[in-house]
Amino acid sequence: EVQLEQSGAEVKKPGESLKISCKGSGYNFAGFWIGWLRQKPGKDLEWMGMIYPGDSDTRYSPSFQGQVTMTADKTTNTAYLQWSSLKASDTAMYYCAKQGQWEPPSNWGQGTLVSVFS
Amino acid sequence: QPVLTQPPSASGTPGQRVSISCSGRSSNIGSNTMTWYQQLPGGAPKLLIYRNSQRPSGVPARFSGSQSGTSASLAIRGLQSEDEGDYYCATWDDSLNAPVFGGGTKLTVL
Repeated sequence: EVQLEQSGAEVKKPGESLKISCKGSGYNFAGFWIGWLRQKPGKDLEWMGMIYPGDSDTRYSPSFQGQVTMTADKTTNTAYLQWSSLKASDTAMYYCAKQGQWEPPSNWGQGTLVSVFS
Repeated sequence: QPVLTQPPSASGTPGQRVSISCSGRSSNIGSNTMTWYQQLPGGAPKLLIYRNSQRPSGVPARFSGSQSGTSASLAIRGLQSEDEGDYYCATWDDSLNAPVFGGGTKLTVL
């Protein structure tokens, strides 16, 4: 069974850095893209980009290019999403999801809630 | 602003059939297959339909999907109270080179 287990909720202050994780199991983690998506309260799903753990090829949505960094470690089946300097507007639920290269996500993680306030 | 257009809300009584529409353009729905997700209150999106009409293992047959031209729809027959939640359509967009989503439809079971 495909499973994506995300790290726990985070509470941060503006300007702080953060790295959240997504650990895959039940499938060939290195052979499928991992997408990251943001959902703010009020429901729109925004695709941030994706990474291919096999060779760390990364594609960012223009809206998120330069705002976040996606990495992956195929030896531990874990993908990461990080910020160097959080803003209050980064407050949202973040999901990782398994996806094909030209397809929407299929299996989703349970989400990581990131709250940023002073 | 979501790329795909869905009605913000839909409703029905238990046992009824409801349909949720999703419209787009030639670069997305017109060129690629549709995916639908169900997001129950407090939960993560869950794959409901993929490749227009395929159901993952465990998804009841009363959920079905169809696609025609630049539009698609999700139908739920035999509506149940546990179906209450948000439903999203999605597909790949060849112009944006990214998956695109609808804004979600909140389904209420009266």
